[in-house]
Amino acid sequence: DIQMTQSPSSLSASVRDRVTITCRASQSISNFLNWYQQKPGKAPKLLIYIASSLQSGVPSRFSGSGSGTDFTLTISSLQPEDSATYFCQQSYSIPWTFGQGTKVEIK
Amino acid sequence: QVELQQSGPGLVKPSQTLSLTCAISGDSVSSNSVTWNWIRQSPSRGLEWLGRTYHRSKWYNDSSVSVKTRITINPDTSKNQFSLQLNSVTPEDTAVYYCARAGYYSNRGAFDVWGQGTVVTVSS
Repeated sequence: DIQMTQSPSSLSASVRDRVTITCRASQSISNFLNWYQQKPGKAPKLLIYIASSLQSGVPSRFSGSGSGTDFTLTISSLQPEDSATYFCQQSYSIPWTFGQGTKVEIK
Repeated sequence: QVELQQSGPGLVKPSQTLSLTCAISGDSVSSNSVTWNWIRQSPSRGLEWLGRTYHRSKWYNDSSVSVKTRITINPDTSKNQFSLQLNSVTPEDTAVYYCARAGYYSNRGAFDVWGQGTVVTVSS
């Protein structure tokens, strides 16, 4: 199975800060990398697919980049409603696997 | 707008079978461009993909090795839904279970629609 490792595991930032979360795959996954946002008691929500494509309805302050083994999710200007846990997921090969999550808190 | 509605018991006894159903509205379980998946989430295992079913002229299934001998995912075209059965459960199967749709082509493997989640506890 492909292992996905996120960093950091948690972070605290102020409103309007630029926030970056990284995700590393244990082998090359081309650009088959997706990002999700999850709030407490809710199902994850797809933000970015195929590394950099913004899902319909997602604010443009979210962006993704990377290929191969290293990927990033960037929030260009953090908003209060962005307080959540973020997960990466590879869709290169079955079984699909997820990172352990990054919890983003607002200072 | 596609929606997934989950149903099924929240408490299962050890060694018994966990059964959940995911009803689809706004799409078809027989669609040739998506797959229908089960995912679970627990503090100890994080988010874990369990398996999927999909239709491409015929029905296909894939599952994670961790549950391969215990899992059954079945489509029901008459009710436009799909189901999960997990046999011989133990307390380690306690988790929130989600059904989810994933793309097969342009957004391959990205889960764009999720059910509301079902908290399943395995306990006597």
